[in-house]
Amino acid sequence: EAGVTQSPTHLIKTRGQQATLRCSPISGHTSVYWYQQALGLGLQFLLWYDEGEERNRGNFPPRFSGRQFPNYSSELNVNALELEDSALYLCASSLGVSPYYGYTFGSGTRLTVV
Amino acid sequence: SQQGEEDPQALSIQEGENATMNCSYKTSINNLQWYRQNSGRGLVHLILIRSNEREKHSGRLRVTLDTSKKSSSLLITASRAADTASYFCANPGGGGSEKLVFGKGTKLTVNP
Repeated sequence: EAGVTQSPTHLIKTRGQQATLRCSPISGHTSVYWYQQALGLGLQFLLWYDEGEERNRGNFPPRFSGRQFPNYSSELNVNALELEDSALYLCASSLGVSPYYGYTFGSGTRLTVV
Repeated sequence: SQQGEEDPQALSIQEGENATMNCSYKTSINNLQWYRQNSGRGLVHLILIRSNEREKHSGRLRVTLDTSKKSSSLLITASRAADTASYFCANPGGGGSEKLVFGKGTKLTVNP
């Protein structure tokens, strides 16, 4: 069984540009979660999608947005990039909505804003 | 903040020794989970303990949960150099939110 896949692995962008990060969940998983892991700040919750709908959003500005496609894959878009957006972006999927399910994480996309 | 906190922030031990990491959280929970992250990589789910459980084992891992103290501990027995990683506790955010809230992690170094 393929795990959660994220692309690209690394992304370098200039301040002010837009970045698009992609995530494919494990087959059969309908929930996709996005987290930002900046240096020294732990994992900060960004977005949660389930069945194509945004279910919850963390304390991030509107320039962080995303969507979930009918095949449950997901895209995270970051507009008007700022230097502090440099971080590891992790995507996770879970079997169901219940918090009783653990998450399966992808290996992340390392975004560097210069 | 609902975020849990791991203690200690960093731990360095010799191979063969046991490693104990603690986690405190603020809200009532229905489960608590532990994850491991190798340097700069994704997190790997280690173990989930439900609120009605007090102890759970998985191989060399032992997790305890004390809901009265809002705390949990992760014990790794007979540590190996390959156990070197960061370890995070996580709990559901509560209030109808199914997202997991992570602590900042304990960085474990096991010296050969």
